[in-house]
Amino acid sequence: SAVISQKPSRDICQRGTSLTIQCQVDSQVTMMFWYRQQPGQSLTLIATANQGSEATYESGFVIDKFPISRPNLTFSTLTVSNMSPEDSSIYLCSVSQGRDYEQYFGPGTRLTVT
Amino acid sequence: GENVGLHLPTLSVQEGDNSIINCAYSNSASDYFIWYKQESGKGPQFIIDIRSNMDKRQGQRVTVLLNKTVKHLSLQIAATQPGDSAVYFCAELVGMFSGGYNKLIFGAGTRLAVHP
Repeated sequence: SAVISQKPSRDICQRGTSLTIQCQVDSQVTMMFWYRQQPGQSLTLIATANQGSEATYESGFVIDKFPISRPNLTFSTLTVSNMSPEDSSIYLCSVSQGRDYEQYFGPGTRLTVT
Repeated sequence: GENVGLHLPTLSVQEGDNSIINCAYSNSASDYFIWYKQESGKGPQFIIDIRSNMDKRQGQRVTVLLNKTVKHLSLQIAATQPGDSAVYFCAELVGMFSGGYNKLIFGAGTRLAVHP
């Protein structure tokens, strides 16, 4: 299975600012995904990060609020823009390889917005 | 620690007992299901999967049962250990991309608390 790291592991930010979260994988992967997990809740898919093209966003999530980059097959970033306290969540990166339906998750980034 | 699972339903069991965690899924067209385990401060970890053409699959100390008639999935953990304490999520795979790649829809989750 792929080894996934995320930076930062946690951060406390002021409202109105932006934070960029990095996801690094130790091998080339086809698909990378970004999830949000609000306190005490399940995981919700934000978007799928496609290498060489724009990300595909789920209903309720927009590019202006959550811009995503995928410059190569081992790295992606998610930016949480113009943050408000409602954005306080754990943000998780996951990857899958080819038609391998298993998704492997990173450790997550815990964001608190004050 | 992280408050993952703070507001989720909790299943409390004694160490050594068997645990059964249940999940209802929504999409009758889903043909692949996964159980994940999430420990405090960590990302979800794959436990076991099952395809819709099966009704049971066994792993090491875990068994997943699938009832497509009522769209119900369960995870059975034998001889539950303190290390099994975590939040457990079921997820169904929903087709999305023409290239054959899919997305996961996660269930609400259940917190398993194992007492010595």
